[in-house]
Amino acid sequence: DQQVKQNSPSLSVQEGRISILNCDYTNSMFDYFLWYKKYPAEGPTFLISISSIKDKNEDGRFTVFLNKSAKHLSLHIVPSQPGDSAVYFCAASRRTGNTGKLIFGQGTTLQVKP
Amino acid sequence: NAGVMQNPRHLVRRRGQEARLRCSPMKGHSHVYWYRQLPEEGLKFMVYLQKENIIDESGMPKERFSAEFPKEGPSILRIQQVVRGDSAAYFCASSPPNPSKNIQYFGAGTRLSVL
Repeated sequence: DQQVKQNSPSLSVQEGRISILNCDYTNSMFDYFLWYKKYPAEGPTFLISISSIKDKNEDGRFTVFLNKSAKHLSLHIVPSQPGDSAVYFCAASRRTGNTGKLIFGQGTTLQVKP
Repeated sequence: NAGVMQNPRHLVRRRGQEARLRCSPMKGHSHVYWYRQLPEEGLKFMVYLQKENIIDESGMPKERFSAEFPKEGPSILRIQQVVRGDSAAYFCASSPPNPSKNIQYFGAGTRLSVL
């Protein structure tokens, strides 16, 4: 039962262009969403997050959009840089009920070409 | 400003042996989480601990796996009688007490190989 899905295993974009990574979820109880970036042989690094009471959160080159009715979120990276090449994971959680677990998608490998 | 520290980074065990993975959370953090990543998959939640308490172990296999976070010292994930299917990357994460946002900070992971 995959509650968080990233349907694109990989994405390739040109340096300077926009990268759009997508994520879908099924559990309407999720109320907090996060994006992590992961390089090979390293742990995931937190990028940006969004609460379910918002539909957009922006931090520098990174913007996350949330469409609750569609149970869909996306991460936009503008402009993309070669150093952004990594695996990107979306994750979802419920902040109620004292459970801290994050439910991760399978990841999308982003390649930014110079 | 030390982050989450995991050791060892790589661990090789033969089938039937025990594996012990250690995690020291970030300074000031009292919540620890363990996740497992199989090849080509995302991270799967295993267990959530606070000091001396297991809060949520819904992702832990019923047998052979245990976790603790003692009052003093690191959190330990213990796998008894390892099998080949236990080969994976194990990540630990931590968060501060009373987090208003569920942002977890991850260590570099322990890569377990079972021969």
